[in-house]
Amino acid sequence: ETGVTQSPTHLIKTRGQQVTLRCSSQSGHNTVSWYQQALGQGPQFIFQYYREEENGRGNFPPRFSGLQFPNYSSELNVNALELDDSALYLCASSLDSGTTDTQYFGPGTRLTVL
Amino acid sequence: AQTVTQSQPEMSVQEAETVTLSCTYDTSESDYYLFWYKQPPSRQMILVIRQEAYKQQNATENRFSVNFQKAAKSFSLKISDSQLGDAAMYFCAYSGYGGSQGNLIFGKGTKLSVKP
Repeated sequence: ETGVTQSPTHLIKTRGQQVTLRCSSQSGHNTVSWYQQALGQGPQFIFQYYREEENGRGNFPPRFSGLQFPNYSSELNVNALELDDSALYLCASSLDSGTTDTQYFGPGTRLTVL
Repeated sequence: AQTVTQSQPEMSVQEAETVTLSCTYDTSESDYYLFWYKQPPSRQMILVIRQEAYKQQNATENRFSVNFQKAAKSFSLKISDSQLGDAAMYFCAYSGYGGSQGNLIFGKGTKLSVKP
């Protein structure tokens, strides 16, 4: 069974640029959630995708957007990057949406915005 | 809005001893889930233990157990026979129940050091 994978591992961008982060969910999982973890903080929920539709969103501006594909992999897109977007971005997959299913996390993508 | 508070930024324990990490939360819901996640320096978040609020029995996973006090909204993690590999950031997390409530709300974490 393949776990959750994310790419790239590290990324450096400059302010104003756009970035795309990728996540492959664990085999059999149809739900992907994205979290932003600033240095020294706990992860904060960005949004969740369930069967290719957004299924809940945290307190993040519209320049944070996402996609989920038919194979349930997912992308997180961030436009007009700001310095405060520097963080570890985690994705987590679960068997189904809702709270009864445990979320399994990927290793994260470290984004640095200069 | 639900919140999760971890009041111990750092903790230290001697190898083979027991340590307890504290977590309190605030919610108006009666049904929910609570979790402890471990994040080693390699950064991959790993589920340690999970507790359903409707279950009175405290969850246990090998050396890890919780003390769930629903009325006090307290959810502490006890690690027995601590091992060097237990050194990590530990996050307490809350999840609502039902529908699209599957997002996790995390505390700020407790950094656990294990001394040989």
